[in-house]
Amino acid sequence: EVHLVESGGGLVKPGGSLRLSCAASGFHFSAYNMNWVRQAPGQGLQWVSSISSSSTYIFYADSVKGRFTISRDNARNSLYLQMNSLRAEDTAVYYCASQDGSLEDWGQGTLVIVSS
Amino acid sequence: DIVMTQSPESLAVSLGERATINCKSSQSVLDSSNNKNYVAWYQQRPGQSPKLLFYWASTRKAGVPDRFSGSGSGTDFTLTISSLQAEDVAVYYCLQYDTTPLTFGGGTKVEIK
Repeated sequence: EVHLVESGGGLVKPGGSLRLSCAASGFHFSAYNMNWVRQAPGQGLQWVSSISSSSTYIFYADSVKGRFTISRDNARNSLYLQMNSLRAEDTAVYYCASQDGSLEDWGQGTLVIVSS
Repeated sequence: DIVMTQSPESLAVSLGERATINCKSSQSVLDSSNNKNYVAWYQQRPGQSPKLLFYWASTRKAGVPDRFSGSGSGTDFTLTISSLQAEDVAVYYCLQYDTTPLTFGGGTKVEIK
């Protein structure tokens, strides 16, 4: 069974940094592209970033480009999101999702609150 | 960016009745080289993460009840629940994965009338 478990969320002040992690199990992690998707409180889903299976291709939403960095460690079956220069509008639940064409499996999410 | 416009924003349907959700993309998401539409549908129940229902617009994921169906091609797509059950109360989203940035529709909240 596929398991994706996000961690690293919390309360941070504007301008601060956080590093999110996603631990994967139950599938061949190194063969899959991976993504981060976020959901602001009471709002819809917003794609944030994607990384190809071997980290060759990386993409970001314009809203996070230059501030967020996606990475992965296939030996550790882990996905990461380094978030710098955080803003209030980055407040959201952040989900990691595996991609096989569409976004196939999702974790339960980790909440990031950016507030002074 | 491809804009995905979902309608309606909310929908109240009696138990056992049909629910229909529409999603329109601002440009075609049909790849003529493989005749596949790069659209997926997700269900997000209250307090839960999204769950994949359909990919390639109409391919049902294993385990999804057959009262759910996905259809459409090009720019117009539909998710239909043929006979609404209590456990179908959720927000439903469409997603285009043809090009980055991946983009979601705004969501449709389905409730029981």
